[in-house]
Formats: sequence, structure tokens, C-alpha cells
Amino acid sequence: GAGVSQSPSNKVTEKGKDVELRCDPISGHTALYWYRQSLGQGLEFLIYFQGNSAPDKSGLPSDRFSAERTGGSVSTLTIQRTQQEDSAVYLCASSTRLAGEQYFGPGTRLTVT
Amino acid sequence: QQQVKQSPQSLIVQKGGISIINCAYENTAFDYFPWYQQFPGKGPALLIAIRPDVSEKKEGRFTISFNKSAKQFSLHIMDSQPGDSATYFCAARKAGTASKLTFGTGTRLQVTL
Repeated sequence: GAGVSQSPSNKVTEKGKDVELRCDPISGHTALYWYRQSLGQGLEFLIYFQGNSAPDKSGLPSDRFSAERTGGSVSTLTIQRTQQEDSAVYLCASSTRLAGEQYFGPGTRLTVT
Repeated sequence: QQQVKQSPQSLIVQKGGISIINCAYENTAFDYFPWYQQFPGKGPALLIAIRPDVSEKKEGRFTISFNKSAKQFSLHIMDSQPGDSATYFCAARKAGTASKLTFGTGTRLQVTL
């Protein structure tokens, strides 16, 4: 079946602009996660959605970052007033609630110039 | 505070050799320990995972060894192949919930001919 998809695959933006990154999870997966991977670094947790529960936003680095999940499926990560330090690969993952194994998408490479 | 420490940062192994990557964790609430494999330009893919009620899990050429008292776990790749060349991440998660993963910083493995 189809895996997690993300769009765009690459995004170049100017400092100060807003960007939106999209994630389509695996059908039937109720949990959705966003992570950030900076060059040469591990993955840093950003935010987690589980069903209709309030999201866990504990990893968002600043109030410039926000995310929503519509209809329990597609999610959008928004970064306002982008800064150069926001340059990274943004990865989305999904899982079933019970199994918990997370399946990752290919990521969106964000470059802020 | 880095909750999962991974070493080495990079590793070169000859074809047919054994690759060993180590991780140590601090949070005793962690109860699920997956390893992910990531190729350039791709998202991480789940390779193998272990829970602390067993000391070892083997899947093909990949083995996880787990030492609960030392709070350490390691990935062994037997008969390493050039196709195994990738970045490997260990991770940890609190059991029972589909919650966030805490990742190590990654090990870049190169298997030479």
C-alpha cells in the first residue's frame, strides 16, 4: 500500500517568508508525528497528533511553528517568518495507536536563504 | 540533555565484517528501542526493534543486544555488505503509547569492498 507522502520534496524560501509543509499519512494510521533533521544531526521531535486528542506540541522550538491536522488525516506544518536556522529536513511519520511503529515519509528539505 | 547517546559517529567496515553501533539511554521509563536505517534523500526506515524483556533479538543479519542494567543497547550487522552503507539511528520511546521517539545522533556506516 501507499506509504507516508510529503510535499513539496524541496522548498527554498527567503528569510522572513512563511512556508507550509504537507504530510499525507498511511491510510488508517491515527497517530501522526513531525520531526526535524538538521544536517548531520539526529531527528528532533516537533509535534504529535493522536486521533481527536489535543496534540503534543512540546517539541515546537518557537511560536513561529504551528501544525494542524484536518479530518484526522492530512497534516500541515507552518513556519512563519522563516529564519536561516530553520533550514533542515522536515520528516513526517505515522503509526497505528496500538502498534506504535512509526513509518516515515521521504521528508521536505527546507532551505532558508 | 541528550537522553539517547549513540556511538560511533561514523564507521568503516570491510565487506563481510561485523558492524557494531552502540547506544545508551538515561530515562528508565523507556521501554521500546527501535533502530532505523536511512539512505541519502530518504526517510528513516524501521530496521529492527526490541523491548527490554529480552536481551537479544535477531532478524536475518541484524541483531539487537540489550543490557537493561547498564541501560545500553547495540546493533550488530553480521556479514556487512556495501548495500548496508547508510546512516543508522537508535531511538527510544515510553512503552504503551504511540508517543514520540527520542533519537540518537546517528552513525554513518560505510562498508567497503
